[in-house]
Amino acid sequence: ETGVTQTPRHLVMGMTNKKSLKCEQHLGHNAMYWYKQSAKKPLELMFVYSLEERVENNSVPSRFSPECPNSSHLFLHLHTLQPEDSALYLCASSQEGGGGGHTGELFFGEGSRLTVL
Amino acid sequence: GNSVTQMEGPVTLSEEAFLTINCTYTATGYPSLFWYVQYPGEGLQLLLKATKADDKGSNKGFEATYRKETTSFHLEKGSVQVSDSAVYFCALTTNAGKSTFGDGTTLTVKP
Repeated sequence: ETGVTQTPRHLVMGMTNKKSLKCEQHLGHNAMYWYKQSAKKPLELMFVYSLEERVENNSVPSRFSPECPNSSHLFLHLHTLQPEDSALYLCASSQEGGGGGHTGELFFGEGSRLTVL
Repeated sequence: GNSVTQMEGPVTLSEEAFLTINCTYTATGYPSLFWYVQYPGEGLQLLLKATKADDKGSNKGFEATYRKETTSFHLEKGSVQVSDSAVYFCALTTNAGKSTFGDGTTLTVKP
C-alpha cells in the first residue's frame, strides 16, 4: 500500500468510447503525475500537476485530457483513443518544494491497465 | 538534458547468485538517485535512494552507492531469491523536482 489508489485497475474500451481514469493520494502531497508505460518502451511522463496547476504537458495528444480538481485527486479523461494507446497508466505523487519532506521520491499507484479495441 | 542509462536486460540468474545492475547518469547539479522496483502486475515502488555523493542506499539486501566521480549508482545484491524477479528502474530527481527514469532492467531468478 503506497498511499496512491488508482481505479479502475483494468479497462477495455472501444475507439469511440469516453472513459476516465481516477487517482487519489492519501499522503498530503502537493504534486501529481500521469505516466504511460507501454511494452518494450521507456516510461513516458505525460502530465505534471503542482499545487493543482498543470506545469508540464509532454506533447500528449488531445484525446488525453487531465483534470486535477484538488491536491488529492487526479483524473485522466479518455476519448476517441487508438489501439496504440493501450498501455499501463501510472499515477504518482510527490512532495515538492523547500522545507522539510522534499526527497524527490515518487509514490506510484498500481496502475490502470487500458486496452483499446 | 538529464539522462539515466541502465544495463540492458533481460538478466537471468540462479537463486543465490550475485546481482549487479549498472546505472549511470547525466545531470546538472546534485540530483538525488533512486532505484525503483516493479513486481508483475504492480506499479513502481521505491527500493532505495541516496541523496548525496558517497551515500549508500540499502533495503531488502540490495545496496547502491552514489558515486559522483563516475556518475554511477549501480545496484547490487549478494544473493538473489526467486521473489526478487521484477523490473528494476534507476532514476534521478533534480533539485527542481524533475525526475528522469532509465529504461528498466528485467530480472528473472530461477530456482
